[in-house]
Amino acid sequence: DGGITQSPKYLFRKEGQNVTLSCEQNLNHDAMYWYRQDPGQGLRLIYYSQIVNDFQKGDIAEGYSVSREKKESFPLTVTSAQKNPTAFYLCASSLLGQLNYGYTFGSGTRLTVV
Amino acid sequence: AQSVTQPDIHITVSEGASLELRCNYSYGATPYLFWYVQSPGQGLQLLLKYFSGDTLVQGIKGFEAEFKRSQSSFNLRKPSVHWSDAAEYFCAVARISGGYNKLIFGAGTRLAVHP
Repeated sequence: DGGITQSPKYLFRKEGQNVTLSCEQNLNHDAMYWYRQDPGQGLRLIYYSQIVNDFQKGDIAEGYSVSREKKESFPLTVTSAQKNPTAFYLCASSLLGQLNYGYTFGSGTRLTVV
Repeated sequence: AQSVTQPDIHITVSEGASLELRCNYSYGATPYLFWYVQSPGQGLQLLLKYFSGDTLVQGIKGFEAEFKRSQSSFNLRKPSVHWSDAAEYFCAVARISGGYNKLIFGAGTRLAVHP
């Protein structure tokens, strides 16, 4: 079955480290998205990408970086510049230009700073 | 600017009781509207969606939602809640922005179910 796979499910980061969260989809979707979720704050958009080698900053991009070298993959790096990275991170994908489709979400990665 | 408001942050209901979760949107054109559910530690699952036609839409898990243009609302309902319905619920509206299909989410409503 097609879907989105996020790994790892749990990730621990030491102060000053960069960590990378994986997101892979086999839905043949063009667009992919990264969201951050904190308790009581809903979903906040970090980065999104429409095509390979192109991506755009969302509302809270500072301290994060992404790449889109393959259509299927959209990894997120949480850099040491992100001062409060402890959160739940969700990856999503969608078809382009089809408003009725919505997003398909992965199961998330919980990142904790130790 | 487009926005989605979910007025209730937390709702508690008894098992077997009826449920209504409120959602109001701000959007100039015909909206494409969605309800998602999130169980603890999981991703979001699509419950139902509306973009045209019958204003009462049926979804999975026995949920339904009614689109009311005059009230700019898209409230989610269930006649009889089960303990497994305890989760967080998100309403969203879709729009095209720079060629992207962008979903704008509400802040969510956390549902607790008493036995």
